Amino acid sequence: DQQVKQNSPSLSVQEGRISILNCDYTNSMFDYFLWYKKYPAEGPTFLISISSIKDKNEDGRFTVFLNKSAKHLSLHIVPSQPGDSAVYFCAARPSGNTPLVFGKGTRLSVIA
Amino acid sequence: KAGVTQTPRYLIKTRGQQVTLSCSPISGHRSVSWYQQTPGQGLQFLFEYFSETQRNKGNFPGRFSGRQFSNSRSEMNVSTLELGDSALYLCASSPRMTASSTEAFFGQGTRLTVV
Repeated sequence: DQQVKQNSPSLSVQEGRISILNCDYTNSMFDYFLWYKKYPAEGPTFLISISSIKDKNEDGRFTVFLNKSAKHLSLHIVPSQPGDSAVYFCAARPSGNTPLVFGKGTRLSVIA
Repeated sequence: KAGVTQTPRYLIKTRGQQVTLSCSPISGHRSVSWYQQTPGQGLQFLFEYFSETQRNKGNFPGRFSGRQFSNSRSEMNVSTLELGDSALYLCASSPRMTASSTEAFFGQGTRLTVV
């Protein structure tokens, strides 16, 4: 039972344009959402997060939007740069002391 | 400050063998979590330790086990290896009891190939 779903395995975007990565979840008890970025041969690194009490969080070129009624969140990268090419994982935290639940990841390729 | 260190980085084992992977967390971090990453399944939670106690366990068979030492270093063991165990095994450390926040830091992983 995949509680966090990233339905697009891959995405290609031209340099300078907007990248939009999507994530859907099924568990309404998730209270915190995170995006991680992973380069080949490296571990995932934290990118940006959002609490369930907010609908938007911005950090430089990265913005995460949360739509609780639709159980959907998205990560916007503007403008996209070749160095953004990586696998992006959406993760959610159930309430309480329970581990993060990750999606399967979306591979972003930013083409120069 | 040194990051999370996982050893070895790469490993090739034969079906039926057993393997032990090691994780040294960031100094001062007492929580260590283990994840399995495969191309089709993303990151799947294996187990989590805090102060030498297993706090959470994922949905993996009993062939997968782990432990944490008093210095917070952790090992995971997989016995009777199967081809499907081939994956990248990632360790994350956190200062808090559960590595479910922005304070979880991942190591580079151990790439296990079972032949």
